[in-house]
Amino acid sequence: NAGVTQTPKFQVLKTGQSMTLQCAQDMNHEYMSWYRQDPGMGLRLIHYSVGAGITDQGEVPNGYNVSRSTTEDFPLRLLSAAPSQTSVYFCAARGLGNTEAFFGQGTRLTVV
Amino acid sequence: QQQVKQSPQSLIVQKGGIPIINCAYENTAFDYFPWYQQFPGKGPALLIAIRPDVSEKKEGRFTISFNKSAKQFSLHIMDSQPGDSATYFCAASSTGNTGKLIFGQGTTLQVKP
Repeated sequence: NAGVTQTPKFQVLKTGQSMTLQCAQDMNHEYMSWYRQDPGMGLRLIHYSVGAGITDQGEVPNGYNVSRSTTEDFPLRLLSAAPSQTSVYFCAARGLGNTEAFFGQGTRLTVV
Repeated sequence: QQQVKQSPQSLIVQKGGIPIINCAYENTAFDYFPWYQQFPGKGPALLIAIRPDVSEKKEGRFTISFNKSAKQFSLHIMDSQPGDSATYFCAASSTGNTGKLIFGQGTTLQVKP
């Protein structure tokens, strides 16, 4: 019962580098989302997807890209990392209707 | 813009006390209001949730109170224990857009022995 799996757990990037945060779920849930968690700011929605091939922007989408080619995977791409993107990133999966969202363990990203 | 506002940011209570965390929302289309609990180094996990057709929901020591007219809801933790020390998030979503779960700013709770 893996649920939602995020990789890597920790990452240090230099300013300007690009990288992809991986997220995979094995629950066959339609909805997947990416959040960033910063002190005093809570969990802010970056991008979300309501199904394969469909994505939309959340509250803080700038500097991030997503795609959803399969139900299982929802990678988050940082195109050109900036220090302001230093944060803890969480991926979540959720079934149809207003149901429980299941979160991964998070990726702690530091941009220097 | 912050669609869900949560307070206080931090809270310290003694064991057995009743911490109360408050949230307010703006979007009247929201019709699902969950609370999530997060321990250090872990992802958030669902604690309890309420829909606006009821004013209160209890699960064990955790109670949600909901005031639809004021667009506010709160979490009460009865007989709090040191193991309840965690960060708590309120959230909201609407049936028409359940891909979008919007969270409050979070409250860090410390329960002293």
